[in-house]
Amino acid sequence: DIQLTQSPSFLSASVGDRVTITCRASQGISTYLAWYQQTAGKAPKVLISAASTLQSGVPPRFSGSGSGTEFTLTISSLQPEDFATYYCQQLNSYPNFGQGTKLEI
Amino acid sequence: QVQLQESGPGLVKPSQTLSLTCTVSGDSVRTASYFWNWIRHRPGQGLEWIGYIYHSGSAYYNASLKSRVNISVDTSKNLFSLKVYSVTAADTAVYFCARMRPLQPLETWGQGVLVTVSS
Repeated sequence: DIQLTQSPSFLSASVGDRVTITCRASQGISTYLAWYQQTAGKAPKVLISAASTLQSGVPPRFSGSGSGTEFTLTISSLQPEDFATYYCQQLNSYPNFGQGTKLEI
Repeated sequence: QVQLQESGPGLVKPSQTLSLTCTVSGDSVRTASYFWNWIRHRPGQGLEWIGYIYHSGSAYYNASLKSRVNISVDTSKNLFSLKVYSVTAADTAVYFCARMRPLQPLETWGQGVLVTVSS
């Protein structure tokens, strides 16, 4: 099975900051990677598919990059509504998730 | 617009079977284009993919749960179901159903249902 390792697990930041979250796959997955945002008590929301394709309605301050085994999610200027937990998910085989990154104020 | 809705008991006793249903509206589980998934979120843990099923009834599972899980589809009722056998407190979680196309993200989710395993 393909394992995903996200870092960091916790991230403290302020409104207006630029933050980057990394997701590493245990083997190459091309660009079959998605990023999700989850707020407490809600279903996750897809932000990015195919490693770098922004989903419709997602603000352009979110961006994704990478291919193969290393991927990043960047939020260019944090807004109050961005404080949430973020997950990567690989789609190359059975669609497992990374362990998550909790972004806190 | 497709909608998914989970339903089932909110409390299950240890060693018993957890049974949940995901009712699909606005689309058909017969659609060959989609996989129908179950995911859970345990307290203090990350998201865990449980498994998915095709319209044909073929199902695939997370290796860590495979021995205790079964996913089935009922095309006549347009729903798919999850069973987790021999549950323990570690199976306490919010369970979500979701839809995805092959090699694409889980783009449509149910609201989730909390299942607590306790005597």
